[in-house]
Amino acid sequence: EIVMTQSPATLSVSPGEGATLSCRASQSVSSNLAWYQQKPGQAPRLLIYGASTRATGIPARFSGSGSGTEFTLAISSLQSEDFAVYYCQQYNNWPSLTFGGGTKVEIK
Amino acid sequence: EVQLVESGGGLIQPGGSLRVSCAASGFSVSTNYMNWVRQAPGKGLEWVSVIYAGGGTNYADSVKGRFTIFRDNSRNTVYLQMNSLRTEDTAVYYCARRSSSGWYYFDFWGQGTLVTVSS
Repeated sequence: EIVMTQSPATLSVSPGEGATLSCRASQSVSSNLAWYQQKPGQAPRLLIYGASTRATGIPARFSGSGSGTEFTLAISSLQSEDFAVYYCQQYNNWPSLTFGGGTKVEIK
Repeated sequence: EVQLVESGGGLIQPGGSLRVSCAASGFSVSTNYMNWVRQAPGKGLEWVSVIYAGGGTNYADSVKGRFTIFRDNSRNTVYLQMNSLRTEDTAVYYCARRSSSGWYYFDFWGQGTLVTVSS
């Protein structure tokens, strides 16, 4: 099983600042990585797939990068609606899909 | 508009059975890969099961032999029959559609239904 490790577990950011979230895979997943945003009491929402392609309707302030084992989700100029938990998910090793443990982005 | 609406969650004793449902609209479940993903309280996400467009199924090792996924095309609904429930099955169960691109990420999710296994 590919283990996905996200860091940090919690990120405290002031509104208007940028944030960088990391996701590391225990073995290469090529570019087969997605990012999701989850707000309390809500379902996850797809942000990024293919490591760097924004999903439909996702603002340009969200950007993904990386390949192989190291990935980054960058959020420029955080808005109030961006404070949430973010998960990465590898889909290179179907049917063994795995998610990271999540990074909570909270208001500083 | 694509929508997924789960229902059927509740409190069940260990060893019991429960069926949760996912009613879809805006697309056909029969031509998509439909999945169940769960999230234990305060924890991360865990893929549980898939039913393929062709009707085949697959399960996570943690539920294999206990859970069964199936669908009713006439109702455009996917189900998860959960038997021999354990306390560790307590979670919010989300229905999720695999992306139409063919790659295995999830482009639409339902709001989830809470299953609590406790005596």
